[in-house]
Amino acid sequence: AQSVTQLDSQVPVFEEAPVELRCNYSSSVSVYLFWYVQYPNQGLQLLLKYLSGSTLVKGINGFEAEFNKSQTSFHLRKPSVHISDTAEYFCAVSSPGYSTLTFGKGTMLLVSP
Amino acid sequence: DSGVTQTPKHLITATGQRVTLRCSPRSGDLSVYWYQQSLDQGLQFLIQYYNGEERAKGNILERFSAQQFPDLHSELNLSSLELGDSALYFCASRPGFNTGELFFGEGSRLTVL
Repeated sequence: AQSVTQLDSQVPVFEEAPVELRCNYSSSVSVYLFWYVQYPNQGLQLLLKYLSGSTLVKGINGFEAEFNKSQTSFHLRKPSVHISDTAEYFCAVSSPGYSTLTFGKGTMLLVSP
Repeated sequence: DSGVTQTPKHLITATGQRVTLRCSPRSGDLSVYWYQQSLDQGLQFLIQYYNGEERAKGNILERFSAQQFPDLHSELNLSSLELGDSALYFCASRPGFNTGELFFGEGSRLTVL
């Protein structure tokens, strides 16, 4: 079975500050990892994904994430956030043998001026 | 715009009623997924169809059913509705069976009164 733990339900941060949203996964096999963003009253939009290769993955809107197999983590980072980054962020895991994505409970990023 | 279309966007109904949610996947995508998003449970996988056949089942109640039609659109039927069924229901699609990311629609918000 697979699972995802997002350690923070809410992360408040000031505009232009750096941010890290944490994600740990549990899987007994090789993994595919994803970060999605959900703006208010909208669907989920893919920020970035790790399927294989380089462990540092760059996504849209200046976000990046690093796959750390030994720590089973896939933390999301941005060096300088904007007000418009206020949204809920979901980490998800899948594997070659699984056809579904398992999501974490989400982290609400609150950016204030 | 992900290319996944869901209707209706909002639906208000009473307990005991039955509703149908509709999803049109991205052009050419054979896999359709249904997820339920609620405040207490987060994003829960319900069911997956691939090219008209059910391929994976998650936490879907017996009162819920789904199907995928020859033109690849899908419908999620929710019957004997309870207050606890109030949630955002997402449809997602992907080209293949178990690789790559999911593309999400904007969801159907169901309110059961």
